[in-house]
Amino acid sequence: EAQVTQNPRYLITVTGKKLTVTCSQNMNHEYMSWYRQDPGLGLRQIYYSMNVEVTDKGDVPEGYKVSRKEKRNFPLILESPSPNQTSLYFCASSLWRLADTQYFGPGTRLLVL
Amino acid sequence: ILNVEQSPQSLHVQEGDSTNFTCSFPSSNFYALHWYRWETAKSPEALFVMTLNGDEKKKGRISATLNTKEGYSYLYIKGSQPEDSATYLCAFSNAGKSTFGDGTTLTVKP
Repeated sequence: EAQVTQNPRYLITVTGKKLTVTCSQNMNHEYMSWYRQDPGLGLRQIYYSMNVEVTDKGDVPEGYKVSRKEKRNFPLILESPSPNQTSLYFCASSLWRLADTQYFGPGTRLLVL
Repeated sequence: ILNVEQSPQSLHVQEGDSTNFTCSFPSSNFYALHWYRWETAKSPEALFVMTLNGDEKKKGRISATLNTKEGYSYLYIKGSQPEDSATYLCAFSNAGKSTFGDGTTLTVKP
């Protein structure tokens, strides 16, 4: 089944403890992206990647890192999480840039205490 | 950060009513406009990707139009059903960057 998967789906952590949220797609998509969703603020883009080894900042990249070493994986790294990074995170992918349909993963709900 | 506005913020209609929403976006440097349907506790689901001025797309009872010169897109739902209840998002994109509107929440009463 063609899909975007994220792990973990739910995570409670403490301030300063490094964490990684994984994202993987099995559709051979070139483009991948991370978003966060906060009440009253809508979906905001964190980082995106147009291809392997090519990443760029979205609108809210502070406090996050990403890497794209393989086409199928696009992990989101929080080196030192803070409570303001408590949010619902979505990974998404599309075949080629944003001229194609974007498919979203199931979401990861993160709580930073 | 680009400004993408959706109106109305929310809409309550009766089953069988037809309805439409608006998405306004910058008219310069246009690349693509996306519409998504987002149900509570699920992920956004793509409805349409529109790239050309004058584009019209249709999927069942839902259709969309695009005017890139004036910077707006309309989403229409014909004969709304309770299962159409959801938040409808639009997103303005360049090749890689995507800016979402806050969405229009539609509630369809039986």
